[in-house]
Amino acid sequence: GDSVTQMEGPVTLSEEAFLTINCTYTATGYPSLFWYVQYPGEGLQLLLKATKADDKGSNKGFEATYRKETTSFHLEKGSVQVSDSAVYFCALSDPTQGGSEKLVFGKGTKLTVNP
Amino acid sequence: EAQVTQNPRYLITVTGKKLTVTCSQNMNHEYMSWYRQDPGLGLRQIYYSMNVEVTDKGDVPEGYKVSRKEKRNFPLILESPSPNQTSLYFCASRAGRGVETQYFGPGTRLLVL
Repeated sequence: GDSVTQMEGPVTLSEEAFLTINCTYTATGYPSLFWYVQYPGEGLQLLLKATKADDKGSNKGFEATYRKETTSFHLEKGSVQVSDSAVYFCALSDPTQGGSEKLVFGKGTKLTVNP
Repeated sequence: EAQVTQNPRYLITVTGKKLTVTCSQNMNHEYMSWYRQDPGLGLRQIYYSMNVEVTDKGDVPEGYKVSRKEKRNFPLILESPSPNQTSLYFCASRAGRGVETQYFGPGTRLLVL
């Protein structure tokens, strides 16, 4: 079945450091890929998405490029802030799943940014 | 404001005592679903609904029931809760098929003693 693997956390960075969170996927079809963010005590919010190969999703300084050849969707940000501290989830949605069309999530990566 | 709401946000109960977690969305979305989040496992889908009176099992449906009598509401029912259902639960909604952005509620933290 479909699956998502993302780097284990936690990740601790200093403010203004460069961030990369790796994400790779396995899917039978042509999935859409997502990054969701969960701030402490809150639900998940969509951070960015890409729906086809070579698409780049971007939002709030974060970027991720859909790489079909490496089945990857790594999250990057050039300069993190304290307010970026959260748990980040990589996810996919595979239309070949049929009715469910559920999101398949990675296990999450907790990011802490120190001032 | 477009949102998905869940109640209660926190609940402590005992084994075998039936409970219902409510979920409501104000975006007229057709698709709704329930996930549970457990440490080291990420989020897993429990049940989903494509529209009113249409529901189906997700990956981990055992011990749960749902109903979809109205478009906006999708309650999660635990008929006889057990300690392995202690978890963080999220309701989500989406406009329809092929529209991929799902909106999540704030979560319900459940402890079953």
